[in-house]
Amino acid sequence: ETVLTQSPDTLSLAPGERATLSCKASQSVSSSYLAWYQQRPGQAPRLLIYGTSTRATGISDRFSGSGSGIDFTLTITRLEPEDSAVYYCQQFGPSPGMYFFGQGTKLEIK
Amino acid sequence: EVLLVESGGSLVQPGGSLRLSCAASGFIFRSYNMNWVRQTPGKGLEWIAYISSSGGAIHYADSVKGRFTISRDNPNNSVYLQMNSLRPEDTALYYCVRYYASFDYWGQGTRVTVSS
Repeated sequence: ETVLTQSPDTLSLAPGERATLSCKASQSVSSSYLAWYQQRPGQAPRLLIYGTSTRATGISDRFSGSGSGIDFTLTITRLEPEDSAVYYCQQFGPSPGMYFFGQGTKLEIK
Repeated sequence: EVLLVESGGSLVQPGGSLRLSCAASGFIFRSYNMNWVRQTPGKGLEWIAYISSSGGAIHYADSVKGRFTISRDNPNNSVYLQMNSLRPEDTALYYCVRYYASFDYWGQGTRVTVSS
């Protein structure tokens, strides 16, 4: 089982700033199988990034993903109040059942 | 528009059973693998069950193996989760999730509470 550890647990930034969220895996993860999700309060998670760096349909180019091996990063530029949410990374393959989530990073926009 | 609508969640006593349903629309349901994912304040997001597009391949998380059963009805665009021998730790919000290159669409969830 792969353990994904996200940092920081909470991040507080101002509108217009840049957020950098980290996801570290306990073993190497194929770049094809790393995704990021956004969960706003009271809502279901929403896919942001898959395959480490491919934005999902309709996702703003302010969101970008990068990384390889055990270290992956979600970057959000020009922060807006609507970006306040919990962000999760996930390994979703290569085999069915190899679906592990990080514990989440809470992003607060003050 | 892709829609996934879960139903069937409720309060149930430990040891009891519950069947969750997920009605899908807006896409060719029989072409997609489906999953159930649950969320608790303490454990966060946890994948619990997968079923392939045809229903021929099924996988479970160890935490529910032997107690939960995932199934699907392609003509009726639905996926199900039969939950038996429920435990307090199964208390969670249960999401129906489509798989395509990742978990690309999620329902809004149905809440299950296991308590006496």
